[in-house]
Amino acid sequence: EDKVVQSPLSLVVHEGDTVTLNCSYEVTNFRSLLWYKQEKKAPTFLFMLTSSGIEKKSGRLSSILDKKELFSILNITATQTGDSAVYLCAVEAQGAQKLVFGQGTRLTINP
Amino acid sequence: GAGVSQSPSNKVTEKGKDVELRCDPISGHTALYWYRQSLGQGLEFLIYFQGNSAPDKSGLPSDRFSAERTGGSVSTLTIQRTQQEDSAVYLCASSQTGAKNIQYFGAGTRLSVL
Repeated sequence: EDKVVQSPLSLVVHEGDTVTLNCSYEVTNFRSLLWYKQEKKAPTFLFMLTSSGIEKKSGRLSSILDKKELFSILNITATQTGDSAVYLCAVEAQGAQKLVFGQGTRLTINP
Repeated sequence: GAGVSQSPSNKVTEKGKDVELRCDPISGHTALYWYRQSLGQGLEFLIYFQGNSAPDKSGLPSDRFSAERTGGSVSTLTIQRTQQEDSAVYLCASSQTGAKNIQYFGAGTRLSVL
């Protein structure tokens, strides 16, 4: 059964800190890994990763995938209070279409 | 539409009643998905539509749950004889068919079964 595990489940830091969120997975015939940010209700898309070692970057956020060790990390530098959210990691298997999600990491940025 | 639209945003019902949840996907997206998010949990897949057909219904938790999609657009998720354990946020997503299956989500319907 495909599985995604995120850690930590909860993280509280001060504004300006750098954080690293972890996502490990087990999936048959891996196709892609996606990161989403969920503030109130709708998860919003951040990154899709398909190849190992290639960093995706958007402003202060970046992510990388290791297909050998079966994990991905999401980095946020110079955190702001607006980064407070639940960050969801999901994987897609070849031919499956559906996404399998981890439990999420609840990130709280204190001023 | 500009994004995935779901209605109602909140639904409170009594145990045993039937409910219908609606999803209007992004215009032109052929794939549509329903997920369920229980309190403090990740998203749990329910069903996937490609056009009007549902090649994967494997996530529907019981035969009280059903979904349909008409005209390759709007979808409704129906829960019959609701139970308290059905209380959750029901999220809909849509995507274009192709190599990059980036799913875009609606704001969800929060269902509370009393």
